[in-house]
Amino acid sequence: DQQVKQNSPSLSVQEGRISILNCDYTNSMFDYFLWYKKYPAEGPTFLISISSIKDKNEDGRFTVFLNKSAKHLSLHIVPSQPGDSAVYFCAASADFNKFYFGSGTKLNVKP
Amino acid sequence: DAGVIQSPRHEVTEMGQEVTLRCKPISGHDYLFWYRQTMMRGLELLIYFNNNVPIDDSGMPEDRFSAKMPNASFSTLKIQPSEPRDSAVYFCASRGAAGEKLFFGSGTQLSVL
Repeated sequence: DQQVKQNSPSLSVQEGRISILNCDYTNSMFDYFLWYKKYPAEGPTFLISISSIKDKNEDGRFTVFLNKSAKHLSLHIVPSQPGDSAVYFCAASADFNKFYFGSGTKLNVKP
Repeated sequence: DAGVIQSPRHEVTEMGQEVTLRCKPISGHDYLFWYRQTMMRGLELLIYFNNNVPIDDSGMPEDRFSAKMPNASFSTLKIQPSEPRDSAVYFCASRGAAGEKLFFGSGTQLSVL
Protein backbone atom coordinates (compact mmCIF):
# COMPACT_ATOMS: atom_id res chain seq x y z
CA ASP A 1 0.00 0.00 0.00
CA GLN A 2 1.62 3.21 -1.17
CA GLN A 3 1.81 5.90 1.48
CA VAL A 4 2.89 8.55 -1.00
CA LYS A 5 0.99 8.95 -4.23
CA GLN A 6 1.56 10.98 -7.35
CA ASN A 7 -1.61 10.50 -9.33
CA SER A 8 -0.48 12.24 -12.51
CA PRO A 9 2.01 10.09 -14.41
CA SER A 10 2.78 12.90 -16.82
CA LEU A 11 2.39 16.65 -17.34
CA SER A 12 3.03 18.77 -20.39
CA VAL A 13 3.60 22.53 -20.07
CA GLN A 14 4.63 25.31 -22.40
CA GLU A 15 7.97 27.01 -21.78
CA GLY A 16 7.58 30.08 -19.58
CA ARG A 17 4.35 28.88 -17.95
CA ILE A 18 3.88 27.43 -14.50
CA SER A 19 4.29 23.71 -13.82
CA ILE A 20 2.39 22.31 -10.85
CA LEU A 21 3.20 18.81 -9.66
CA ASN A 22 1.07 17.25 -6.97
CA CYS A 23 1.64 14.67 -4.27
CA ASP A 24 -0.62 13.13 -1.64
CA TYR A 25 0.29 11.14 1.43
CA THR A 26 -1.64 9.04 3.91
CA ASN A 27 0.57 8.84 7.00
CA SER A 28 -0.04 11.72 9.41
CA MET A 29 3.31 10.98 11.10
CA PHE A 30 5.24 12.23 8.08
CA ASP A 31 6.91 15.49 8.99
CA TYR A 32 9.56 15.95 6.36
CA PHE A 33 9.08 16.07 2.62
CA LEU A 34 11.44 16.16 -0.33
CA TRP A 35 11.23 16.57 -4.08
CA TYR A 36 13.72 14.84 -6.32
CA LYS A 37 14.32 15.28 -10.02
CA LYS A 38 15.47 12.48 -12.30
CA TYR A 39 16.85 12.61 -15.81
CA PRO A 40 17.02 9.43 -17.95
CA ALA A 41 19.89 7.10 -17.12
CA GLU A 42 20.75 9.10 -14.01
CA GLY A 43 19.91 8.75 -10.34
CA PRO A 44 17.44 11.12 -8.69
CA THR A 45 18.92 14.38 -7.45
CA PHE A 46 17.62 16.48 -4.57
CA LEU A 47 15.60 19.53 -5.52
CA ILE A 48 13.85 21.07 -2.53
CA SER A 49 12.51 20.11 0.88
CA ILE A 50 9.96 21.25 3.44
CA SER A 51 9.30 20.35 7.04
CA SER A 52 5.87 20.13 8.59
CA ILE A 53 6.38 23.32 10.61
CA LYS A 54 6.21 25.30 7.39
CA ASP A 55 3.63 25.54 4.67
CA LYS A 56 5.88 26.97 1.98
CA ASN A 57 9.52 26.83 0.96
CA GLU A 58 11.01 28.65 -1.97
CA ASP A 59 14.27 28.21 -3.86
CA GLY A 60 14.61 30.26 -7.00
CA ARG A 61 12.06 29.09 -9.55
CA PHE A 62 10.96 26.22 -7.32
CA THR A 63 8.39 26.48 -4.54
CA VAL A 64 6.95 23.65 -2.49
CA PHE A 65 3.63 24.06 -0.70
CA LEU A 66 2.45 21.83 2.11
CA ASN A 67 -1.17 21.45 3.22
CA LYS A 68 -1.02 19.23 6.30
CA SER A 69 -4.76 19.05 6.85
CA ALA A 70 -5.24 17.75 3.32
CA LYS A 71 -2.06 15.67 3.43
CA HIS A 72 -1.06 17.24 0.17
CA LEU A 73 2.02 18.91 -1.20
CA SER A 74 2.76 20.50 -4.50
CA LEU A 75 5.80 21.69 -6.40
CA HIS A 76 5.52 24.85 -8.48
CA ILE A 77 8.06 25.68 -11.16
CA VAL A 78 7.88 29.24 -12.48
CA PRO A 79 8.81 29.90 -15.20
CA SER A 80 9.19 26.42 -16.64
CA GLN A 81 12.18 25.79 -18.88
CA PRO A 82 12.89 22.94 -21.34
CA GLY A 83 15.75 21.80 -19.08
CA ASP A 84 13.15 21.11 -16.38
CA SER A 85 11.85 18.19 -18.42
CA ALA A 86 12.43 15.20 -16.17
CA VAL A 87 10.66 12.82 -13.80
CA TYR A 88 9.84 14.37 -10.44
CA PHE A 89 9.46 12.27 -7.30
CA CYS A 90 8.06 13.40 -4.00
CA ALA A 91 9.16 11.65 -0.83
CA ALA A 92 8.06 11.74 2.80
CA SER A 93 9.55 10.59 6.06
CA ALA A 94 8.75 10.48 9.76
CA ASP A 95 12.31 9.84 10.93
CA PHE A 96 14.73 11.21 8.31
CA ASN A 97 15.78 7.66 7.47
CA LYS A 98 12.93 5.81 5.89
CA PHE A 99 11.75 7.90 2.97
CA TYR A 100 8.66 6.79 1.09
CA PHE A 101 8.65 7.85 -2.54
CA GLY A 102 5.81 8.35 -4.96
CA SER A 103 5.74 6.77 -8.40
CA GLY A 104 6.87 9.96 -10.13
CA THR A 105 5.45 12.50 -12.58
CA LYS A 106 7.10 12.96 -15.95
CA LEU A 107 7.23 16.67 -16.83
CA ASN A 108 7.64 17.74 -20.43
CA VAL A 109 8.29 21.45 -21.02
CA LYS A 110 7.70 22.33 -24.63
CA PRO A 111 9.77 25.09 -26.24
CA ASP B 1 33.85 13.65 -4.87
CA ALA B 2 32.85 10.96 -7.37
CA GLY B 3 29.41 10.49 -5.87
CA VAL B 4 27.70 7.16 -5.28
CA ILE B 5 29.06 4.56 -7.69
CA GLN B 6 27.04 1.58 -8.78
CA SER B 7 28.00 -1.37 -10.96
CA PRO B 8 27.10 -2.77 -13.34
CA ARG B 9 25.01 -0.14 -15.14
CA HIS B 10 23.09 -2.85 -16.99
CA GLU B 11 22.63 -6.51 -16.17
CA VAL B 12 20.83 -9.03 -18.34
CA THR B 13 20.47 -12.52 -16.95
CA GLU B 14 18.33 -15.58 -17.22
CA MET B 15 15.76 -16.69 -14.72
CA GLY B 16 17.32 -18.75 -11.97
CA GLN B 17 20.73 -17.13 -12.13
CA GLU B 18 22.37 -15.29 -9.27
CA VAL B 19 22.69 -11.53 -9.64
CA THR B 20 24.98 -9.28 -7.58
CA LEU B 21 24.67 -5.51 -7.64
CA ARG B 22 27.42 -3.36 -6.19
CA CYS B 23 27.58 0.05 -4.58
CA LYS B 24 30.28 2.37 -3.31
CA PRO B 25 28.80 5.17 -1.16
CA ILE B 26 30.18 8.66 -0.81
CA SER B 27 33.16 8.66 1.51
CA GLY B 28 32.19 9.69 5.03
CA HIS B 29 28.51 8.89 4.64
CA ASP B 30 27.19 6.76 7.48
CA TYR B 31 23.94 5.65 5.89
CA LEU B 32 23.45 3.49 2.80
CA PHE B 33 20.12 2.69 1.18
CA TRP B 34 19.03 0.28 -1.54
CA TYR B 35 15.94 1.25 -3.57
CA ARG B 36 14.11 -0.43 -6.42
CA GLN B 37 12.24 1.54 -9.07
CA THR B 38 9.30 0.06 -10.96
CA MET B 39 6.63 1.72 -13.07
CA MET B 40 3.84 0.64 -10.77
CA ARG B 41 5.36 1.31 -7.36
CA GLY B 42 7.92 4.03 -8.00
CA LEU B 43 10.93 3.99 -5.69
CA GLU B 44 10.66 1.35 -2.97
CA LEU B 45 13.10 1.19 -0.07
CA LEU B 46 14.49 -2.32 0.21
CA ILE B 47 17.00 -2.01 3.06
CA TYR B 48 19.22 0.53 4.74
CA PHE B 49 22.42 0.38 6.75
CA ASN B 50 23.89 2.64 9.40
CA ASN B 51 27.62 2.29 10.03
CA ASN B 52 27.61 -0.97 8.03
CA VAL B 53 24.85 -2.50 10.18
CA PRO B 54 21.49 -3.36 8.58
CA ILE B 55 18.82 -1.32 10.35
CA ASP B 56 15.62 -2.01 8.44
CA ASP B 57 15.18 -4.74 5.84
CA SER B 58 11.40 -4.82 5.91
CA GLY B 59 11.28 -3.78 2.26
CA MET B 60 13.24 -6.77 1.01
CA PRO B 61 10.62 -8.62 -1.03
CA GLU B 62 11.63 -12.22 -0.38
CA ASP B 63 14.34 -14.44 1.00
CA ARG B 64 15.82 -14.50 -2.48
CA PHE B 65 17.09 -11.00 -1.78
CA SER B 66 20.03 -10.34 0.52
CA ALA B 67 22.26 -7.34 1.16
CA LYS B 68 25.59 -6.92 2.86
CA MET B 69 27.88 -4.07 3.80
CA PRO B 70 31.23 -5.58 4.76
CA ASN B 71 32.86 -2.17 5.17
CA ALA B 72 32.09 1.54 4.96
CA SER B 73 32.94 1.78 1.27
CA PHE B 74 31.13 -1.19 -0.24
CA SER B 75 27.74 -2.84 -0.30
CA THR B 76 26.15 -5.59 -2.36
CA LEU B 77 22.58 -6.56 -3.15
CA LYS B 78 22.21 -10.17 -4.21
CA ILE B 79 19.25 -11.92 -5.80
CA GLN B 80 19.39 -15.70 -5.86
CA PRO B 81 17.62 -17.15 -7.78
CA SER B 82 16.49 -14.27 -9.97
CA GLU B 83 13.01 -14.13 -11.52
CA PRO B 84 11.55 -12.03 -14.38
CA ARG B 85 9.50 -9.97 -11.89
CA ASP B 86 12.77 -8.76 -10.36
CA SER B 87 13.41 -6.73 -13.51
CA ALA B 88 13.69 -3.11 -12.43
CA VAL B 89 16.18 -0.32 -11.84
CA TYR B 90 18.02 -0.71 -8.55
CA PHE B 91 19.42 2.40 -6.91
CA CYS B 92 21.90 2.77 -4.13
CA ALA B 93 21.92 6.00 -2.12
CA SER B 94 23.94 7.33 0.78
CA ARG B 95 23.79 10.22 3.20
CA GLY B 96 25.78 11.64 6.02
CA ALA B 97 24.73 11.36 9.63
CA ALA B 98 23.84 14.98 10.03
CA GLY B 99 22.25 15.65 6.65
CA GLU B 100 18.90 14.62 5.35
CA LYS B 101 19.48 14.59 1.63
CA LEU B 102 19.99 11.29 -0.11
CA PHE B 103 22.60 11.12 -2.84
CA PHE B 104 21.74 8.49 -5.42
CA GLY B 105 23.90 6.48 -7.75
CA SER B 106 23.03 6.16 -11.44
CA GLY B 107 21.33 2.83 -10.86
CA THR B 108 21.59 -0.69 -12.25
CA GLN B 109 19.05 -1.65 -14.91
CA LEU B 110 18.33 -5.33 -14.28
CA SER B 111 16.56 -7.48 -16.85
CA VAL B 112 15.77 -11.08 -15.97
CA LEU B 113 14.68 -13.08 -19.00
